[in-house]
Amino acid sequence: DARVTQTPRHKVTEMGQEVTMRCQPILGHNTVFWYRQTMMQGLELLAYFRNRAPLDDSGMPKDRFSAEMPDATLATLKIQPSEPRDSAVYFCASGLIVDGGVSLTDTQYFGPGTRLTVL
Amino acid sequence: KNEVEQSPQNLTAQEEEFITINCSYSVGISALHWLQQHPGGGIVSLFMLSSGKKKHGRLIATINIQEKHSSLHITASHPRDSAVYICAVLDSNYQLIWGAGTKLIIKP
Repeated sequence: DARVTQTPRHKVTEMGQEVTMRCQPILGHNTVFWYRQTMMQGLELLAYFRNRAPLDDSGMPKDRFSAEMPDATLATLKIQPSEPRDSAVYFCASGLIVDGGVSLTDTQYFGPGTRLTVL
Repeated sequence: KNEVEQSPQNLTAQEEEFITINCSYSVGISALHWLQQHPGGGIVSLFMLSSGKKKHGRLIATINIQEKHSSLHITASHPRDSAVYICAVLDSNYQLIWGAGTKLIIKP
């Protein structure tokens, strides 16, 4: 059955290293969301793409984070350089948005998440 | 015994009724999610709680950390609220543990 996949599931790295997280959205979905969940901030929306174009990345620290969709089957979230405060679970979600703009209440299919620990 | 248990498993009610869905968990958690899964299969995040109470429209979610229990309430229920409601907890190891879901049907 169709599902969103994320790799890696767990990542432990040292401060200063580059981290790349990957997401494969459900085939046919045109919108991809990146979320970060931490104990302090809860679930935060970092960025989302529609038809591979970034629509909103205002939730993402621009100096070290970057999100891309090289093609319709792959979304990436990179952190360079990583810092301990980046430790969190990063979720990717995808959806099929057919009407106008994107509402965050539209149906989103969540991946299992990537648990990142930056030492 | 499952680490996250929801009750009831199935609930059918009439439009306008007040709905309560319960979630109990047995692990230490950092956060609890309530999610809604539409008949087509998609999941929408409704609330994330770590303490207290949150309200959004006709939806209210509460959590009691000491009792390891959370409730999702729907006021003035409507047929469009028909869906599966899922409780999921983020444990202290940041693993997301899903409950089995509560299937809600609201009849007009």
